[in-house]
Formats: sequence, structure tokens, C-alpha cells
Amino acid sequence: QQPVQSPQAVILREGEDAVINCSSSKALYSVHWYRQKHGEAPVFLMILLKGGEQKGHEKISASFNEKKQQSSLYLTASQLSYSGTYFCGTVGGGSNYKLTFGKGTLLTVNP
Amino acid sequence: DAGVTQSPTHLIKTRGQQVTLRCSPKSGHDTVSWYQQALGQGPQFIFQYYEEEERQRGNFPDRFSGHQFPNYSSELNVNALLLGDSALYLCASSLQGNNQPQHFGDGTRLSIL
Repeated sequence: QQPVQSPQAVILREGEDAVINCSSSKALYSVHWYRQKHGEAPVFLMILLKGGEQKGHEKISASFNEKKQQSSLYLTASQLSYSGTYFCGTVGGGSNYKLTFGKGTLLTVNP
Repeated sequence: DAGVTQSPTHLIKTRGQQVTLRCSPKSGHDTVSWYQQALGQGPQFIFQYYEEEERQRGNFPDRFSGHQFPNYSSELNVNALLLGDSALYLCASSLQGNNQPQHFGDGTRLSIL
């Protein structure tokens, strides 16, 4: 089942903060975050696993509430380069390799 | 270090035709996943290949098939094309496992007339 992202779109001024939420009705093994700029490929941001482990290389933080099956992506002191569509993807446990993406959140950062 | 490469970048076909899309994974990656992305939507999982076998499949009809070669490259085949198959087809490679970062190619834009 597709995770639900909110908000659908957000507009910021450079330096402002934003939070993007992702929720699922199914038990999750991990939550993945990607950013896609217009006309480009999605780029990996972060993976959050049950138990608190995180993998990522961007200066972006995120949280994963296992009980609520929710994840949030925190964008602080936003830069123009943060603009793009953010997708969360969820993976069930066990031998489930299917990454199911939400519909995305369009983030626009203006000068 | 080359990333994920896909070919062709654009393709125009007519209804009923067949198409083959190709993907070379990032060096060192052994797993390839294919996604369909409609305009304004998130990528939808088609299937994943590992060790030359289809390991998992999404909700796509049998018209969608694939293959993985010993060098880990992969093909996506779509038969009996429909207008609704028009989309961006993305290939992503990763290391084995379901909690590995996926590296996406730039995609193939398929248009069905």
C-alpha cells in the first residue's frame, strides 16, 4: 500500500525550515527518502531502519516512529538547491524487496 | 566511476508494438530494480532482479518482463504496448538487500502514439 505524504507542496524562503511527513497503514521495515529535481533522476537521501539505524550522506535529518509507522524529514536552513520533489519509500519486512513510493512533496525554495 | 546508465533516453512507439529498454548498473552493484513513473507521480515498482532471477514483482501485467545478464546489466521488455504505458521508466541499482540505497539512472521516456 502506497505511503501518504504531507504536505503535497510547500514554498519556503531561503533559510527557512520545513518538515515533510510520510505515513503508512502497514508495518514497516524501513523508510527511504529520495529527492528528484525536475527532469532528473531521483537521488538517495536517507534510509531509516527499525531499531534506529540510519544511512545517509546529506546534511538532512529524519525520524522514524515505528509504532506509528511514520517518518518525518527535517530540512533546516533551506538552500536554493533543496528545491525538488521529495519522495518517501517504504519496505515491508522479511523477504520483501519492493520499495513503494508515495506521491511526493514538491518543495520550492525561493531567494 | 560510471553511475547507472540507461538507453535509449527517448522512444516513441505505437500501440501494439513491443519495446526493450536497457540498463547498466553502477559499478559494484549486483541488484537492478525497474520503476515506472507517470507524470506527477512517484516511481512505481515493476520488478527487481538479483542473480539473474526476478526476485520480486509489483502490480504489473505479464506484458512487462525482464532479464538480468551475468554482468548484472538488465533489460525491461514491454509487449503489446498501450497508451497508458507512456511514462518515464527508471532503472535503479543497489547492493543486495532490502535496506540498501538505490542509485537511479536518468530514465527512458517512452511515448506511445
